[in-house]
Amino acid sequence: DAEITQSPRHKITETGRQVTLACHQTWNHNNMFWYRQDLGHGLRLIHYSYGVQDTNKGEVSDGYSVSRSNTEDLPLTLESAASSQTSVYFCASSRNQGGDTQYFGPGTRLTVL
Amino acid sequence: SQQGEEDPQALSIQEGENATMNCSYKTSINNLQWYRQNSGRGLVHLILIRSNEREKHSGRLRVTLDTSKKSSSLLITASRAADTASYFCWGSGGSNYKLTFGKGTLLTVNP
Repeated sequence: DAEITQSPRHKITETGRQVTLACHQTWNHNNMFWYRQDLGHGLRLIHYSYGVQDTNKGEVSDGYSVSRSNTEDLPLTLESAASSQTSVYFCASSRNQGGDTQYFGPGTRLTVL
Repeated sequence: SQQGEEDPQALSIQEGENATMNCSYKTSINNLQWYRQNSGRGLVHLILIRSNEREKHSGRLRVTLDTSKKSSSLLITASRAADTASYFCWGSGGSNYKLTFGKGTLLTVNP
């Protein structure tokens, strides 16, 4: 069955370290998204991609970067982790740009000490 | 992008009762979707309603859309403890316009 996976599921790191969170989908979807979820803020969009070599900033992109070298993967990199980036991160994918259903991964809980 | 606003923020009911939650937005959209999130999990798509539809049903779910008032409601009938979750709305419009997720409605169904 097609699916979307995230790894690791839990990560503890130190301030200043570079961290990469993986997202892999086997739906063959064009669109992929990264969100973070914090208490009191709901889900906030970090970056998104509409296809290979396409990346776009979301509402909270500072301190994060993504690259899309193939259809299946959209890794999220924290260049220099900060305590404010402690959060739960969700990856999602959808087929097309026209408001298609998003399919979410199980999430990665990141703690920055 | 503009945020969909879910209301109420929290709702607590007894098993068997109906639960109604609302979503409001400020700009025209082509479709609106509702998602559910169980604690500690990713969001799961529940139902999509298009701008030319006024009501849609799926099992115990009923969604309405009022484009003139820019609002939608999600009704869960005969609720079960397993319906305990957060519920979010999300929509898309023309010119690649999309709502962002709001903070959701936390529904607690007491057995």
